[in-house]
Amino acid sequence: KQEVTQIPAALSVPEGENLVLNCSFTDSAIYNLQWFRQDPGKGLTSLLLIQSSQREQTSGRLNASLDKSSGRSTLYIAASQPGDSATYLCAVSPRPKAAGNKLTFGGGTRVLVKP
Amino acid sequence: GAGVSQSPSNKVTEKGKDVELRCDPISGHTALYWYRQSLGQGLEFLIYFQGNSAPDKSGLPSDRFSAERTGGSVSTLTIQRTQQEDSAVYLCASSWNLSGGPSGYTFGSGTRLTVV
Repeated sequence: KQEVTQIPAALSVPEGENLVLNCSFTDSAIYNLQWFRQDPGKGLTSLLLIQSSQREQTSGRLNASLDKSSGRSTLYIAASQPGDSATYLCAVSPRPKAAGNKLTFGGGTRVLVKP
Repeated sequence: GAGVSQSPSNKVTEKGKDVELRCDPISGHTALYWYRQSLGQGLEFLIYFQGNSAPDKSGLPSDRFSAERTGGSVSTLTIQRTQQEDSAVYLCASSWNLSGGPSGYTFGSGTRLTVV
């Protein structure tokens, strides 16, 4: 059974500092990994999707790396802003036709960027 | 549609009443998930669909919860005899297939259910 862990559970940084969010998973037989952002009381917004054959994806100030063999992904947010304050979740998708597997989420990292 | 649509966005119901929550996925998406999120908590998996079939119903909290999907499109989550502990945000997500396809999963904005 796939298990996904996110550390730390909460993070507080001053504006301008870089953010490093970690996601680890126990079963490396994944199809892809997706990072989401969730604002309080809202749904999830997709940030980055990394296919299992890729090592990283970048979008603006965001960069996500994937090391499938060690079961880890890291989300980097450069030059953080107060608007980056949110909860960040990672999720892994199973390979096609993988019996018993489903999209699995980590518990999230709650980020506060202080002005 | 352009995104995943959930309705209603908010629902207040009296304890003991039945409620139906609707999810309209992105056109062509065969995979559909339902999650529940209580205040300040993480995502709780409820059920997923591949087409119209639900291979894994293990996340449904009790037999008061049921879900169906017809025509490989719209899904409804029904909660019978609602209880106060059912109060939560119910989220729906869809994708081209269970592995996420080329664009991963897209979530709806959720239905906030309050049982009074």
